Amino acid sequence: GAGVSQTPSNKVTEKGKYVELRCDPISGHTALYWYRQSLGQGPEFLIYFQGTGAADDSGLPNDRFFAVRPEGSVSTLKIQRTERGDSAVYLCASSPGALGREEAFFGQGTRLTVV
Amino acid sequence: SQQGEEDPQALSIQEGENATMNCSYKTSINNLQWYRQNSGRGLVHLILIRSNEREKHSGRLRVTLDTSKKSSSLLITASRAADTASYFCATDSQGGSEKLVFGKGTKLTVNP
Repeated sequence: GAGVSQTPSNKVTEKGKYVELRCDPISGHTALYWYRQSLGQGPEFLIYFQGTGAADDSGLPNDRFFAVRPEGSVSTLKIQRTERGDSAVYLCASSPGALGREEAFFGQGTRLTVV
Repeated sequence: SQQGEEDPQALSIQEGENATMNCSYKTSINNLQWYRQNSGRGLVHLILIRSNEREKHSGRLRVTLDTSKKSSSLLITASRAADTASYFCATDSQGGSEKLVFGKGTKLTVNP
C-alpha cells in the first residue's frame, strides 16, 4: 500500500474485554512506533520497534498493554482487561530509519472507545 | 511525559495573515520536527530541522531553531483557510532513545 494502514478505524469494546489493534507500515520501513492520543493532547509515545524487536517500550502504561512485530513488518498492539481510561486514538507510524532522524509516516489511527 | 511545549495553545487569525507558533523543549536534541494534524487523526510531517541548523524553509513554512534557548518557531506566511489544523513540534533526545516525543500542540484557526 501507499501509506501506513491501521485497522480497525474505530473500535468500541466493553470494559474488561481484550482488543487488538493492527498496523501495516510502509513496505521496507524498519522503524515502527505506536502512540496514543487523548482529546486535546499531543501523541503520547508507547513503544518503538526496530525490526522485530522492541527497542523502547518505556511508554507502555502498564502490563495490560503489549505489542508485537513478529516478522518485522505488521505490528499488533494488544490491550487486556480494557478500562474506560484506555479510550483514545491509537496512532501508528513508520520510518525508514530512526524516527528522531527521519520523517515519520502516520496512519489514520484507531479510535478506541471503552464503554 | 511530553518534551515539547507549544505556545500559544490556540491561535485564530484571518486569511492572508501570518501565523507564528513556538515550541520549547527541555533536553538537548539531535533534531526537531513539526507536524500538522487535521481532525484529530493522522499526522503529516511538515519539516525537520537538525540541531546544527538555525533556519529552514519549505514553501510558505519557515522554521527556526535556537538550541541555546531550547526553542523553535514555525511561521506560516499568507495563511489560508485550509491551514486550519493542530500543529505539533516533536523532538528526539540526544544520547537517549530514538523515540520522538510530541508537545501538546497549537490549534490554528484561519478564518476566511
